[in-house]
Amino acid sequence: AQSVAQPEDQVNVAEGNPLTVKCTYSVSGNPYLFWYVQYPNRGLQFLLKYITGDNLVKGSYGFEAEFNKSQTSFHLKKPSALVSDSALYFCAVREMYDGGATNKLIFGTGTLLAVQP
Amino acid sequence: DAGVIQSPRHEVTEMGQEVTLRCKPISGHDYLFWYRQTMMRGLELLIYFNNNVPIDDSGMPEDRFSAKMPNASFSTLKIQPSEPRDSAVYFCASSPPTETGELFFGEGSRLTVL
Repeated sequence: AQSVAQPEDQVNVAEGNPLTVKCTYSVSGNPYLFWYVQYPNRGLQFLLKYITGDNLVKGSYGFEAEFNKSQTSFHLKKPSALVSDSALYFCAVREMYDGGATNKLIFGTGTLLAVQP
Repeated sequence: DAGVIQSPRHEVTEMGQEVTLRCKPISGHDYLFWYRQTMMRGLELLIYFNNNVPIDDSGMPEDRFSAKMPNASFSTLKIQPSEPRDSAVYFCASSPPTETGELFFGEGSRLTVL
């Protein structure tokens, strides 16, 4: 079955330190990968995506993610965390079929990022 | 652009009542999705439409749930009759007709069924 795994329910990091939020995926073929962020009482906001090309993808708010095909991972990173980065982060992958990709996104369970001042 | 607009933002109702949630997608987007978010089950895709036609409704929990998209600018999700276990935040999202499939989410409708 196609799926996305976010192994950590919560990640704690001190402000100014680098952060990593982990994501692994399981789909057939070349994946379309996404990261979304959700602030309290808000909808999900798109951060970045990997479709093809450079394995290091840069997105909004200074976030980036590295696609690693051999490890089937797409970890979210930021060199220096801010308190305002505290939120719920979701990794997602497009559902694949033999002919390509559907428009359906499969989301992970989310990782709560807590940045301490 | 106003983004995806959902109403109501909050709804409190009693078990057995009918609930209708509404969504206006971003103009020009031809895909519309309904998701449900709970602490226990996370984000679940309920149904999605392409050009107003339902494509995949396999996530709709049971016959009490129905969704319609009468035109490109409006969709409804109806629960009749509602039950306490339907309490959740319901999100609508839309996406443009591009290869990348990026979704744009509304702010959600928080439903509480007593």
